[in-house]
Amino acid sequence: DAGVIQSPRHEVTEMGQEVTLRCKPISGHDYLFWYRQTMMRGLELLIYFNNNVPIDDSGMPEDRFSAKMPNASFSTLKIQPSEPRDSAVYFCASSLSGGLREKLFFGSGTQLSVL
Amino acid sequence: GESVGLHLPTLSVQEGDNSIINCAYSNSASDYFIWYKQESGKGPQFIIDIRSNMDKRQGQRVTVLLNKTVKHLSLQIAATQPGDSAVYFCAENYPPFGGTSYGKLTFGQGTILTVHP
Repeated sequence: DAGVIQSPRHEVTEMGQEVTLRCKPISGHDYLFWYRQTMMRGLELLIYFNNNVPIDDSGMPEDRFSAKMPNASFSTLKIQPSEPRDSAVYFCASSLSGGLREKLFFGSGTQLSVL
Repeated sequence: GESVGLHLPTLSVQEGDNSIINCAYSNSASDYFIWYKQESGKGPQFIIDIRSNMDKRQGQRVTVLLNKTVKHLSLQIAATQPGDSAVYFCAENYPPFGGTSYGKLTFGQGTILTVHP
C-alpha cells in the first residue's frame, strides 16, 4: 500500500491567495483527519471525517478554513484567504474503524509558507 | 483544557545505550495512549500503543510503561541506534474509546532524541 498521499509537498503563496491541500487516504480506511503542526502549538486536530461525512470541525481555526471529502479516496483542505500565520505543516491521516482505530497513519505532510 | 506534556524536550544518547522518553498526561479518564516517531520531513509514524488497563507493553526494542497513579507514560528504546534519532510524541485518547463516541488524540509537544554514533 502506498500509504496516505498528500500533495503538494511544499506550497509557497502570498497572503490573500487561496490554498488547496489534497489528500488520498489509505484504501479501505473510513476515517480521515487533517492536522496542523507548528513549533508553538504542536500537532492540532483540525477536522475529521467518517465515511466522507465531517464529524467534528471544532479544531478549524476560523471560517477561512474549509475541508471537503467528496468521496472515500479524496479530501481537500482549503484556506481562503491565506495569512502568514497559517504557515505550518499540514498532515492528513487515515484510520480504520473497529479495533485500534486510533492507530492513525499519517501522510508526509504539506509544508505551507504564506508570505 | 487538559493536555499532554513532556518532561524533556531533548535527549542525547550514545549508540547502544537505552533511551527513556517521558510523558505526563493530565486527563485521568484517557483510556488509550500511543507513541509516535517523527523523522525530519515525514509524518508521525506509529511505534507502540497501550490501553489504560495495562501497565506495560513490549514491542521490538521498545517498551511502553503506563503509571496511572501519577499519570505518567514512558517509552523505552533498547540499544538505541542512529536511525532512532527523531522527535517522539506521546498522544492520549479522550473521551474514552467505545460506544458511538470517537476519542480524539491529543499530542504532546514532542521530545527530540539524538543518537550519537
